[in-house]
Amino acid sequence: NAGVMQNPRHLVRRRGQEARLRCSPMKGHSHVYWYRQLPEEGLKFMVYLQKENIIDESGMPKERFSAEFPKEGPSILRIQQVVRGDSAAYFCASSPYQNTEAFFGQGTRLTVV
Amino acid sequence: GEDVEQSLFLSVREGDSSVINCTYTDSSSTYLYWYKQEPGAGLQLLTYIFSNMDMKQDQRLTVLLNKKDKHLSLRIADTQTGDSAIYFCAEIPYNQGGKLIFGQGTELSVKP
Repeated sequence: NAGVMQNPRHLVRRRGQEARLRCSPMKGHSHVYWYRQLPEEGLKFMVYLQKENIIDESGMPKERFSAEFPKEGPSILRIQQVVRGDSAAYFCASSPYQNTEAFFGQGTRLTVV
Repeated sequence: GEDVEQSLFLSVREGDSSVINCTYTDSSSTYLYWYKQEPGAGLQLLTYIFSNMDMKQDQRLTVLLNKKDKHLSLRIADTQTGDSAIYFCAEIPYNQGGKLIFGQGTELSVKP
């Protein structure tokens, strides 16, 4: 049973481009969470999704950020028109049920130049 | 409100015990977690404790929970250089869908 898979591991984007971050949860896990870790900081919750539904997006910036978890395929975190302040590590976690331990992927390190 | 606080740095000598402390504010949290992050890596779940427990021991790790003071600690016995990492404490507030609220992380440095 593979762990949570995130790709790419490293992503470099120029200001104004789009960034797409992918997360494949562990097999059998239907709950996906995205977190952002800014340099020298802890992880901050962004969004919680179940298959085809956004359950809680209270941590998502109001503009340029969106997330989806389609019926088939990985969860995608999309950042449009990236700015330097978006440079961070983005982690995805999955769990089989709500309120149970979550398993984290290795993260995608986004650098905006 | 939801807030988790940790001290930022801890330095110990190899073979000593390390104690990493954490305070949290949401008394409704049912589970409290400790994660380890090595440089450039993801988060590894080390251990967790259910809120109705006072203590949990797992090999070199001991977790103590003081619910009255909302204080959580992680003790690592016989600390090794491979334990050097950032340690995050986290809580899942009740009825919040399972999202984790993290502390800022404590950077543990183990000197030979």
